[in-house]
Amino acid sequence: GQNIDQPTEMTATEGAIVQINCTYQTSGFNGLFWYQQHAGEAPTFLSYNVLDGLEEKGRFSSFLSRSKGYSYLLLKELQMKDSASYLCAVMDSNYQLIWGAGTKLIIKP
Amino acid sequence: IAGITQAPTSQILAAGRRMTLRCTQDMRHNAMYWYRQDLGLGLRLIHYSNTAGTTGKGEVPDGYSVSRANTDDFPLTLASAVPSQTSVYFCASSETGTDTQYFGPGTRLTVL
Repeated sequence: GQNIDQPTEMTATEGAIVQINCTYQTSGFNGLFWYQQHAGEAPTFLSYNVLDGLEEKGRFSSFLSRSKGYSYLLLKELQMKDSASYLCAVMDSNYQLIWGAGTKLIIKP
Repeated sequence: IAGITQAPTSQILAAGRRMTLRCTQDMRHNAMYWYRQDLGLGLRLIHYSNTAGTTGKGEVPDGYSVSRANTDDFPLTLASAVPSQTSVYFCASSETGTDTQYFGPGTRLTVL
């Protein structure tokens, strides 16, 4: 079966750095997406990786290793507004997104 | 309008009733999707449409139907609602079936 694993919850301090991991087993791979979802709101797109390596976008970076079935989202200089759930999703061989359950990130002052 | 709108925002429905959730996008995206999101689970695809006039089944299609008469609208119908369909429903769209998906604000549905 297809599976996306990510930690259920993480806690970090304002101003610090946090890394949210995602491992996947899917039938085929056509890219990995990270979304941010604040409580009660819609998911919003953060990043997309299809080749191995690091993609940097401001305070957020996303890394992919296809051989290891592994990705991480790195958030730097954490702000209180970064408190949200972070969703990892893989596009499989049928071009359908398979979603992880999300990681709830709690930022403490 | 900019993006995707969904209606209603929330609804409480008696079991056995018929309900249509509406979704409209103004980005001229070809592909549209319906997901449900339940606590502790990832988003699950119900139905999708890669272009107007075509639809396909996702991971959890039973009890739901969709239509895609034009590019902008993609309604989701529950023919006879059951309590297990209590969930938050998100509509999404993408330029094509392989591109980044953008989400509407969601509909919170409770079936009693």
